Amino acid sequence: EPEVTQTPSHQVTQMGQEVILRCVPISNHLYFYWYRQILGQKVEFLVSFYNNEISEKSEIFDDQFSVERPDGSNFTLKIRSTKLEDSAMYFCASRGTGELSEAFFGQGTRLTVV
Amino acid sequence: AQSVTQLGSHVSVSEGALVLLRCNYSSSVPPYLFWYVQYPNQGLQLLLKYTTGATLVKGINGFEAEFKKSETSFHLTKPSAHMSDAAEYFCAVRQAGTALIFGKGTTLSVSS
Repeated sequence: EPEVTQTPSHQVTQMGQEVILRCVPISNHLYFYWYRQILGQKVEFLVSFYNNEISEKSEIFDDQFSVERPDGSNFTLKIRSTKLEDSAMYFCASRGTGELSEAFFGQGTRLTVV
Repeated sequence: AQSVTQLGSHVSVSEGALVLLRCNYSSSVPPYLFWYVQYPNQGLQLLLKYTTGATLVKGINGFEAEFKKSETSFHLTKPSAHMSDAAEYFCAVRQAGTALIFGKGTTLSVSS
């Protein structure tokens, strides 16, 4: 069964460093998303990406964040100048073209900023 | 703007008892509605979804949910809880062309 793959599963970084979280969406999907879940809190929408551009973003997704689809398979989230409060589980998701299609989520990357 | 409210951050039931997890939504137009489950240290798995058609939808693991437009609700039920149902459950809403918005989640505990 096709699945969304995220790497690494756990990333520890020092405050102020840049991190790149990687995702391989399901191959025929065209909509891509990043969400985050701070420990014990709800899953929050960060950004959606379609046709090589951001289609929607939340107020959380400020200039510290960027997304990229560098090739035909990867979808990355870059976080610059990481802060302690960026520590969270980051989920990537992808969705097919049908408007009624559901999003499939990866297993997540746990980011710990120390 | 759309939003989701899950009543009760924690629900505890005995094995074999009815499971009822509540979800209400706020949306200017009829939304698409979803329930996702998250087991410890895992990602989000789709349980069921409502998009159009029959308002009672059945999902995996014996769960079902009913879309009630008049009550703006999409409560999740299961007639008989199993120990393996213990997990975090998220209700989510999406309108056409927008991203999923999640509720705060409900932790389901099942005791023997």
